[in-house]
Amino acid sequence: AQTVTQSQPEMSVQEAETVTLSCTYDTSESDYYLFWYKQPPSRQMILVIRQEAYKQQNATENRFSVNFQKAAKSFSLKISDSQLGDAAMYFCAYRSASRGSQGNLIFGKGTKLSVKP
Amino acid sequence: GAGVSQTPSNKVTEKGKYVELRCDPISGHTALYWYRQSLGQGPEFLIYFQGTGAADDSGLPNDRFFAVRPEGSVSTLKIQRTERGDSAVYLCASSPGPLNTEAFFGQGTRLTVV
Repeated sequence: AQTVTQSQPEMSVQEAETVTLSCTYDTSESDYYLFWYKQPPSRQMILVIRQEAYKQQNATENRFSVNFQKAAKSFSLKISDSQLGDAAMYFCAYRSASRGSQGNLIFGKGTKLSVKP
Repeated sequence: GAGVSQTPSNKVTEKGKYVELRCDPISGHTALYWYRQSLGQGPEFLIYFQGTGAADDSGLPNDRFFAVRPEGSVSTLKIQRTERGDSAVYLCASSPGPLNTEAFFGQGTRLTVV
Protein backbone atom coordinates (compact mmCIF):
# COMPACT_ATOMS: atom_id res chain seq x y z
CA ALA A 1 0.00 0.00 0.00
CA GLN A 2 1.11 3.52 -0.73
CA THR A 3 1.90 5.94 2.08
CA VAL A 4 2.68 9.65 2.24
CA THR A 5 4.70 11.19 5.07
CA GLN A 6 5.02 14.85 5.97
CA SER A 7 7.50 15.16 8.80
CA GLN A 8 6.99 18.85 9.54
CA PRO A 9 3.76 19.47 11.50
CA GLU A 10 4.39 23.21 11.47
CA MET A 11 6.58 25.65 9.58
CA SER A 12 7.02 29.39 9.74
CA VAL A 13 8.36 31.85 7.19
CA GLN A 14 8.90 35.57 7.05
CA GLU A 15 6.90 37.42 4.42
CA ALA A 16 8.83 37.68 1.12
CA GLU A 17 11.17 34.86 2.15
CA THR A 18 11.37 31.30 0.79
CA VAL A 19 10.22 28.16 2.56
CA THR A 20 10.42 24.48 1.68
CA LEU A 21 7.90 21.88 2.82
CA SER A 22 8.99 18.23 2.84
CA CYS A 23 7.16 15.13 1.70
CA THR A 24 8.25 11.55 1.24
CA TYR A 25 6.18 8.69 -0.07
CA ASP A 26 6.36 4.96 -0.45
CA THR A 27 5.10 3.01 -3.43
CA SER A 28 6.01 0.04 -5.56
CA GLU A 29 4.39 1.58 -8.62
CA SER A 30 6.37 3.27 -11.35
CA ASP A 31 3.61 5.46 -12.72
CA TYR A 32 1.83 7.90 -10.46
CA TYR A 33 1.06 11.53 -9.78
CA LEU A 34 2.02 13.70 -6.84
CA PHE A 35 0.23 16.81 -5.66
CA TRP A 36 0.45 19.62 -3.19
CA TYR A 37 -2.88 20.91 -1.91
CA LYS A 38 -3.50 24.02 0.18
CA GLN A 39 -6.28 24.01 2.76
CA PRO A 40 -7.14 27.41 4.24
CA PRO A 41 -9.54 27.78 7.19
CA SER A 42 -12.43 27.63 4.72
CA ARG A 43 -11.60 23.88 4.52
CA GLN A 44 -11.68 23.72 0.73
CA MET A 45 -8.71 21.86 -0.70
CA ILE A 46 -7.06 23.88 -3.44
CA LEU A 47 -4.61 22.32 -5.89
CA VAL A 48 -1.27 24.12 -5.77
CA ILE A 49 0.89 22.03 -8.07
CA ARG A 50 0.99 18.63 -9.75
CA GLN A 51 3.86 16.37 -10.86
CA GLU A 52 3.71 13.38 -13.17
CA ALA A 53 6.19 10.74 -12.08
CA TYR A 54 7.30 10.00 -15.64
CA LYS A 55 8.43 13.59 -16.09
CA GLN A 56 11.95 14.37 -14.95
CA GLN A 57 11.42 18.10 -15.09
CA ASN A 58 10.22 19.62 -11.85
CA ALA A 59 6.82 21.30 -12.01
CA THR A 60 6.55 25.05 -11.48
CA GLU A 61 3.52 27.27 -10.96
CA ASN A 62 4.46 30.93 -10.47
CA ARG A 63 5.95 31.19 -6.94
CA PHE A 64 5.50 27.47 -6.29
CA SER A 65 7.93 24.81 -7.43
CA VAL A 66 8.74 21.25 -6.50
CA ASN A 67 11.89 19.22 -6.09
CA PHE A 68 10.92 15.75 -7.25
CA GLN A 69 13.46 13.02 -6.51
CA LYS A 70 11.93 9.80 -7.81
CA ALA A 71 14.66 7.46 -6.64
CA ALA A 72 14.56 8.91 -3.16
CA LYS A 73 10.75 9.09 -3.22
CA SER A 74 10.87 12.68 -2.15
CA PHE A 75 8.60 15.52 -3.27
CA SER A 76 9.22 18.88 -1.58
CA LEU A 77 7.39 22.14 -2.21
CA LYS A 78 9.23 25.44 -2.39
CA ILE A 79 7.30 28.66 -1.93
CA SER A 80 9.19 31.76 -3.03
CA ASP A 81 8.39 35.34 -2.05
CA SER A 82 5.97 34.12 0.62
CA GLN A 83 2.80 36.12 1.05
CA LEU A 84 0.40 36.41 3.96
CA GLY A 85 -2.21 34.63 1.89
CA ASP A 86 0.01 31.55 1.70
CA ALA A 87 -0.68 30.78 5.35
CA ALA A 88 -2.65 27.52 5.44
CA MET A 89 -2.36 23.77 5.87
CA TYR A 90 -0.45 22.13 3.04
CA PHE A 91 -1.02 18.51 2.13
CA CYS A 92 1.10 16.29 -0.04
CA ALA A 93 -0.90 13.66 -1.92
CA TYR A 94 -0.29 10.60 -4.09
CA ARG A 95 -2.44 9.19 -6.87
CA SER A 96 -1.82 6.00 -8.77
CA ALA A 97 -1.67 6.20 -12.55
CA SER A 98 -1.78 2.47 -13.07
CA ARG A 99 -4.32 0.96 -15.43
CA GLY A 100 -7.61 0.65 -13.63
CA SER A 101 -6.73 3.31 -11.10
CA GLN A 102 -9.79 4.96 -9.68
CA GLY A 103 -8.19 8.26 -8.97
CA ASN A 104 -8.51 8.45 -5.22
CA LEU A 105 -5.84 10.43 -3.40
CA ILE A 106 -3.65 9.36 -0.51
CA PHE A 107 -2.76 12.29 1.71
CA GLY A 108 -0.06 13.03 4.24
CA LYS A 109 -0.91 14.51 7.62
CA GLY A 110 -0.20 18.03 6.52
CA THR A 111 2.09 20.92 7.42
CA LYS A 112 0.71 24.09 8.94
CA LEU A 113 2.45 27.08 7.38
CA SER A 114 2.49 30.43 9.15
CA VAL A 115 3.65 33.61 7.42
CA LYS A 116 4.99 36.41 9.59
CA PRO A 117 4.58 40.00 8.40
CA GLY B 1 -22.99 25.22 -10.22
CA ALA B 2 -19.54 26.69 -10.45
CA GLY B 3 -17.98 24.37 -7.92
CA VAL B 4 -18.60 21.40 -5.67
CA SER B 5 -21.26 22.23 -3.11
CA GLN B 6 -21.66 20.43 0.21
CA THR B 7 -24.53 20.83 2.63
CA PRO B 8 -24.85 21.39 5.47
CA SER B 9 -21.67 23.26 6.21
CA ASN B 10 -21.85 22.21 9.84
CA LYS B 11 -23.91 19.56 11.55
CA VAL B 12 -24.22 18.81 15.25
CA THR B 13 -26.00 15.62 16.18
CA GLU B 14 -26.50 13.49 19.23
CA LYS B 15 -24.83 10.15 19.64
CA GLY B 16 -26.95 7.41 18.16
CA LYS B 17 -28.75 9.62 15.64
CA TYR B 18 -28.82 9.24 11.86
CA VAL B 19 -27.30 11.91 9.59
CA GLU B 20 -27.16 12.60 5.88
CA LEU B 21 -24.50 14.70 4.21
CA ARG B 22 -25.04 15.98 0.69
CA CYS B 23 -22.61 16.61 -2.14
CA ASP B 24 -23.45 18.44 -5.38
CA PRO B 25 -20.56 17.85 -7.81
CA ILE B 26 -19.59 20.03 -10.73
CA SER B 27 -22.03 19.48 -13.56
CA GLY B 28 -20.85 16.79 -15.96
CA HIS B 29 -18.31 15.29 -13.60
CA THR B 30 -18.76 11.53 -13.56
CA ALA B 31 -16.26 10.70 -10.83
CA LEU B 32 -17.15 11.55 -7.23
CA TYR B 33 -15.15 10.86 -4.07
CA TRP B 34 -15.87 11.13 -0.38
CA TYR B 35 -13.10 11.66 2.15
CA ARG B 36 -13.07 11.98 5.92
CA GLN B 37 -10.66 14.35 7.63
CA SER B 38 -10.23 13.89 11.36
CA LEU B 39 -8.73 16.63 13.49
CA GLY B 40 -5.03 17.05 12.77
CA GLN B 41 -5.02 14.48 9.96
CA GLY B 42 -5.06 14.47 6.20
CA PRO B 43 -8.20 13.40 4.36
CA GLU B 44 -8.79 9.65 4.14
CA PHE B 45 -10.60 8.04 1.25
CA LEU B 46 -14.06 6.63 1.95
CA ILE B 47 -15.81 5.82 -1.31
CA TYR B 48 -15.63 6.43 -5.05
CA PHE B 49 -18.50 6.66 -7.53
CA GLN B 50 -18.19 6.44 -11.27
CA GLY B 51 -21.58 7.48 -12.52
CA THR B 52 -24.31 5.97 -10.38
CA GLY B 53 -22.42 2.99 -9.04
CA ALA B 54 -20.06 2.77 -6.09
CA ALA B 55 -16.95 1.54 -7.86
CA ASP B 56 -14.90 1.35 -4.66
CA ASP B 57 -16.26 1.52 -1.11
CA SER B 58 -13.21 -0.01 0.53
CA GLY B 59 -12.60 3.08 2.67
CA LEU B 60 -15.91 3.00 4.51
CA PRO B 61 -14.99 2.24 8.14
CA ASN B 62 -17.96 -0.02 8.95
CA ASP B 63 -21.52 -0.84 7.95
CA ARG B 64 -22.94 2.23 9.66
CA PHE B 65 -21.65 4.24 6.71
CA PHE B 66 -23.37 4.15 3.36
CA ALA B 67 -23.42 6.42 0.32
CA VAL B 68 -25.61 6.70 -2.76
CA ARG B 69 -25.60 8.56 -6.04
CA PRO B 70 -28.86 7.46 -7.67
CA GLU B 71 -28.84 9.71 -10.75
CA GLY B 72 -25.12 10.05 -11.24
CA SER B 73 -24.90 13.60 -9.94
CA VAL B 74 -25.80 14.43 -6.32
CA SER B 75 -24.44 12.05 -3.72
CA THR B 76 -25.52 11.51 -0.13
CA LEU B 77 -23.32 10.05 2.59
CA LYS B 78 -25.42 8.41 5.28
CA ILE B 79 -24.25 7.57 8.77
CA GLN B 80 -26.40 5.47 11.09
CA ARG B 81 -26.15 5.29 14.88
CA THR B 82 -23.54 8.03 14.99
CA GLU B 83 -20.68 7.77 17.46
CA ARG B 84 -18.45 10.47 18.89
CA GLY B 85 -15.59 9.04 16.86
CA ASP B 86 -17.46 9.93 13.68
CA SER B 87 -16.82 13.62 14.39
CA ALA B 88 -14.76 14.94 11.49
CA VAL B 89 -14.89 17.03 8.35
CA TYR B 90 -16.38 15.11 5.46
CA LEU B 91 -15.04 16.27 2.11
CA CYS B 92 -16.46 15.58 -1.31
CA ALA B 93 -14.51 15.89 -4.57
CA SER B 94 -15.44 15.44 -8.20
CA SER B 95 -13.55 15.16 -11.45
CA PRO B 96 -14.53 14.77 -15.11
CA GLY B 97 -13.50 11.13 -14.93
CA PRO B 98 -11.11 8.77 -13.13
CA LEU B 99 -8.38 9.43 -15.66
CA ASN B 100 -8.51 13.15 -15.06
CA THR B 101 -5.83 14.07 -12.57
CA GLU B 102 -7.44 17.12 -11.01
CA ALA B 103 -10.08 16.63 -8.36
CA PHE B 104 -12.19 19.61 -7.30
CA PHE B 105 -13.12 19.73 -3.66
CA GLY B 106 -16.07 21.16 -1.81
CA GLN B 107 -15.76 23.01 1.47
CA GLY B 108 -16.76 19.99 3.46
CA THR B 109 -19.28 19.29 6.18
CA ARG B 110 -18.03 19.49 9.74
CA LEU B 111 -19.89 16.80 11.68
CA THR B 112 -19.87 16.96 15.46
CA VAL B 113 -21.38 14.11 17.44
CA VAL B 114 -22.15 15.05 21.05
